[in-house]
Amino acid sequence: RKEVEQDPGPFNVPEGATVAFNCTYSNSASQSFFWYRQDCRKEPKLLMSVYSSGNEDGRFTAQLNRASQYISLLIRDSKLSDSATYLCVVTGWGNTGKLIFGQGTTLQVKP
Amino acid sequence: GAVVSQHPSWVICKSGTSVKIECRSLDFQATTMFWYRQFPKQSLMLMATSNEGSKATYEQGVEKDKFLINHASLTLSTLTVTSAHPEDSSFYICSALNRQGSGSGYTFGSGTRLTVV
Repeated sequence: RKEVEQDPGPFNVPEGATVAFNCTYSNSASQSFFWYRQDCRKEPKLLMSVYSSGNEDGRFTAQLNRASQYISLLIRDSKLSDSATYLCVVTGWGNTGKLIFGQGTTLQVKP
Repeated sequence: GAVVSQHPSWVICKSGTSVKIECRSLDFQATTMFWYRQFPKQSLMLMATSNEGSKATYEQGVEKDKFLINHASLTLSTLTVTSAHPEDSSFYICSALNRQGSGSGYTFGSGTRLTVV
């Protein structure tokens, strides 16, 4: 079983749509959770951290369910510029600082 | 904000040669640097963790004698791919841990695309 699992997609949505991505992680000792965005042939860039209380940044909302070891990302009012691969990332156990990446979910927003 | 400069951004080399990739933290001290590899349509896979002044810790399945990591200073870590072969062609990215930084605390280099012919 992969440590971080995501549906690779692709998700093809029209502009203005709302789209949700899900992610599960296997290690209950994971401490920190993030969504990163990666454009083709580029380095990943932090989109937002994820907390149990849920957090929102403009059109993006992230949620963590520790009991279910489940992380979600909701994008409202999709823009063409949102087209990218979204990576679910958790830190490894212990204090190693390692980041464990999911495979990524590809989003294509169409006009 | 924190910046990690990674060079070269792309390199083409002949099979059997060695390639060195550098990552420099420009405005902070990176005591820990992570090295990742990403094959097409796959996720970033951690290769090794390097701590300044000590030997790197390699992930299972990563050959330490093939992927040499040096982290001799708080601002520079290097990855050398020795005797490169076509199957080593990949996207290599470093990430520095800045525990005093904002956001996730991780700053990524811009990546190096290695093609071995």
